[in-house]
Amino acid sequence: QSALTQPPSVSGSPGQSVTISCTGTSSDVGSYNRVSWYQQPPGTAPKLMIYDVSNRPSGVPDRFSGSKSGNTASLTISGLQAEDEADYYCSSYTSSITYVFGTGTKVTVL
Amino acid sequence: EVQLVESGGNLVQPGGSLRLSCVASGFTFNSYWMHWVRQAPGKGLVWVSRITNDGSSTTYADSVKGRFTISRDNAKNTLYLQMNSLRADDTAVYYCARGHIIGYYWDYWGQGTLVTVSS
Repeated sequence: QSALTQPPSVSGSPGQSVTISCTGTSSDVGSYNRVSWYQQPPGTAPKLMIYDVSNRPSGVPDRFSGSKSGNTASLTISGLQAEDEADYYCSSYTSSITYVFGTGTKVTVL
Repeated sequence: EVQLVESGGNLVQPGGSLRLSCVASGFTFNSYWMHWVRQAPGKGLVWVSRITNDGSSTTYADSVKGRFTISRDNAKNTLYLQMNSLRADDTAVYYCARGHIIGYYWDYWGQGTLVTVSS
C-alpha cells in the first residue's frame, strides 16, 4: 500500500488560509469517506483534527475544515495562527482492510 | 482522562526481538479496537497493526506481516506488540492509538516508545 500523496510544505501569513491536498486512489480515498487528518507539532504525538472527511472533534477550532473530491481529500486552515505551525498527516481506510497515511505536510506560519 | 502509556522500546540488534506494551486507562479498554502506528526518525506516520476489542481479529501492514504480533490482555488493560526478526528499517517511535468506537480513525494516542535496531 503506497502512502497518500501530500505536498511537502505549505506556508502562509497569519490570518491567511492554506489548503493541504491528500491524493490517493480508488482503493482508499476514492472509495471511502474514512479520511482523517492529524496535527503533529515537533516532538509530540499526533492529534486528531478532522474525521470522516469533514467532521471536527470537540475542541478543534472551526478554522480547520475538510473536504473530498474523487481520490483527493483536502484540509483547509482558515485564519492561520502561529500555533498552527506543525506537520499534518491525512489518513484513509483502504479496501485491503488496512489504513494508509499521507506523506505529511509541514505548515509554516510566516 | 484517557491515557495510553507505551513502554518496552530499546536498542536491539538486527534479527532480535522486542515486546512493546501500552497500558490504557480512563476508558473501557475492552470496548475499543487498538492500533500500533510507527514513525521513523524524521519520517512520516505508518500504520502497523490493529486488533479488535475482544482480540479475535488482527490485521497487519505488509511490511511487518509474519514478523510482528499484536495482542491484548483486557483484564490488564494492556496492548502488546511482539516484534521478531527486527530489521534496521523497523527503527522508529512506536505509538499505540485508540480506534474510535464507531469510526476508522484514532482519537487518542500515547506518547510513543523508541525502538532502535542497530548492531
